[in-house]
Amino acid sequence: QVQLQESGPGLVKSSETLSLTCTVSGGSISVYYWSWIRQSPGKGLEWIGFRYYSGRSDYIPSLKSRVTISVDTTKNHVSLELNSVTAADTAVYYCARGLTGSGPFDLWGQGSQVIVSS
Amino acid sequence: SYVLTQPPSVSVSPGQPASITCSGDKLGDKYVCWYQRKPGQPPVMVIHEDSKRPSGIPERFSGSNSGNTATLTISGTQAMDEADYFCQAWDSNTHAVFGGGTKLTVL
Repeated sequence: QVQLQESGPGLVKSSETLSLTCTVSGGSISVYYWSWIRQSPGKGLEWIGFRYYSGRSDYIPSLKSRVTISVDTTKNHVSLELNSVTAADTAVYYCARGLTGSGPFDLWGQGSQVIVSS
Repeated sequence: SYVLTQPPSVSVSPGQPASITCSGDKLGDKYVCWYQRKPGQPPVMVIHEDSKRPSGIPERFSGSNSGNTATLTISGTQAMDEADYFCQAWDSNTHAVFGGGTKLTVL
């Protein structure tokens, strides 16, 4: 059974870089689109962007200048880097799998809470 | 930007049907997915492509989408269905958009 598990620092200082890793276990990272999605306190889910295993990527315009999603097929990892963070980036961050670039997210991780401190 | 609107909360008695709506401009022209999230658990896809149930999802979950509104219906709602539900679609730029979420309470 394929599982996704996010990991990374729970606390990041303002203006620094948020880095999270999603470990894919029980299955291959290839063929799929890998997204990061977040939920800030009191708000709905927000899609950040995706990376296809072979390289194609796309990001939400409001975060495009600060975000990078990468895929490491040798380690079965999907990574998120978000730089110059502010309190507005405080959220639970989820990684999620999709079969296509515009299809459903058929598998999600548990989520990783990140707090940005001043 | 494209916006999906859900009611913040819906209450239902056990055994009764529950309906959760999701509204967006010409939403019926897009495919809608629904996700269930229980406390401490990852979201689970319960409906995709408007009305298709993934393997393992009970038959009491169904979906429809027409005009500006998509609807998730749970027939014979059970206590275990109490959760947050989110609708999701893709906008014209192929960016995923989510509704604000609906907390379903089974009284």
